[in-house]
Amino acid sequence: RKEVEQDPGPFNVPEGATVAFNCTYSNSASQSFFWYRQDCRKEPKLLMSVYSSGNEDGRFTAQLNRASQYISLLIRDSKLSDSATYLCVVNGGKNQGGKLIFGQGTELSVKP
Amino acid sequence: DAGITQSPRYKITETGRQVTLMCHQTWSHSYMFWYRQDLGHGLRLIYYSAAADITDKGEVPDGYVVSRSKTENFPLTLESATRSQTSVYFCASSEQQGANSPLHFGNGTRLTVT
Repeated sequence: RKEVEQDPGPFNVPEGATVAFNCTYSNSASQSFFWYRQDCRKEPKLLMSVYSSGNEDGRFTAQLNRASQYISLLIRDSKLSDSATYLCVVNGGKNQGGKLIFGQGTELSVKP
Repeated sequence: DAGITQSPRYKITETGRQVTLMCHQTWSHSYMFWYRQDLGHGLRLIYYSAAADITDKGEVPDGYVVSRSKTENFPLTLESATRSQTSVYFCASSEQQGANSPLHFGNGTRLTVT
């Protein structure tokens, strides 16, 4: 089982749609969680951290379920500019030196 | 503006040659990382460094060597390049490792080994 697994995608949605991405992680000792965004052929950039109580940043909402070892990202009112690959990132816990582990990413394509 | 820069952006080399990818950051971040990104595998950690003169292996270190003589530089060397090392390489830095300390990535080096 991979340490961080994401929906395979791609997700093709119309502008204005709401789309949700899911991510599961295997290490129960993980304590930090992030969503990164990667545009085609460019470097990943931090989209948002994920906090235990859930957090929102504009149209983006991140949720964490520690019991199920599950993270989600919800994008409301999708824009064409949201088209990118979204990477779920989890720190590996102390037994892995706290290193960040990346999921393979979920590709989102927002169409007019 | 301060940042993290990688060079070269593109590199084509032959099997068996030694090649070094450069990474330089101006934030004085303690931690630096090298990742490779391949279709079907996502980003995989090659090596990382917690400070000058401290380096450690990541998930896929075989065939690579790193050094960190200065905080701002973290070069990655392929001792004898193989076709399986054709990939996009990203360098990254952070103030801390893991908790509440995001990674800042360079814009990548696309390496082709023929």
